[in-house]
Amino acid sequence: SQTIHQWPATLVQPVGSPLSLECTVEGTSNPNLYWYRQAAGRGLQLLFYSVGIGQISSEVPQNLSASRPQDRQFILSSKKLLLSDSGFYLCAWSLEGFGNQPQHFGDGTRLSIL
Amino acid sequence: LAKTTQPISMDSYEGQEVNITCSHNNIATNDYITWYQQFPSQGPRFIIQGYKTKVTNEVASLFIPADRKSSTLSLPRVSLSDTAVYYCLVSRGGSDKIIFGKGTRLHILP
Repeated sequence: SQTIHQWPATLVQPVGSPLSLECTVEGTSNPNLYWYRQAAGRGLQLLFYSVGIGQISSEVPQNLSASRPQDRQFILSSKKLLLSDSGFYLCAWSLEGFGNQPQHFGDGTRLSIL
Repeated sequence: LAKTTQPISMDSYEGQEVNITCSHNNIATNDYITWYQQFPSQGPRFIIQGYKTKVTNEVASLFIPADRKSSTLSLPRVSLSDTAVYYCLVSRGGSDKIIFGKGTRLHILP
């Protein structure tokens, strides 16, 4: 069966520090991968998605970036964090194909910027 | 992608059937309707997906009228553990993106 791992579960970082969040998927090949952010009490905002290695689509202009160095690895990064980057970050995967495939989410990383 | 509208919150009692309705007036021919459940500090979990008429699984039923401009998620005999946020989404065939709205916060009372 397929599993998705995200780490760390919680992270506290000072303003201006770098960020690296990692997500890996097991049990499937060539998944679509997604990064979302959820502010407190709000819905999910799609940040990036990838349909293959090295292929990244950005949905929201910001100081975050994403990379997909391996088929089942998705990384969210920042060179300098802002206070507004605080939130709950979720990684998800879905089967490749013609869309309408359900997305399966990790347990998330709660990021607090001080 | 079609915008969805659903109630901000709902309360119900244990053992009752709960129906959450979502409107999506601008749904396109190749759009599907999908519902997710999210507990606090967890990622959303897929519940059910449908295109038209009725879909049922072990967790819920999804009713979609012929015009597809709305859909209703039905949760039979809810328990306290069904307290969560429920998201209705419209996703397009051939597209890899989905758009989450604000969801419906369902609170089950004893």
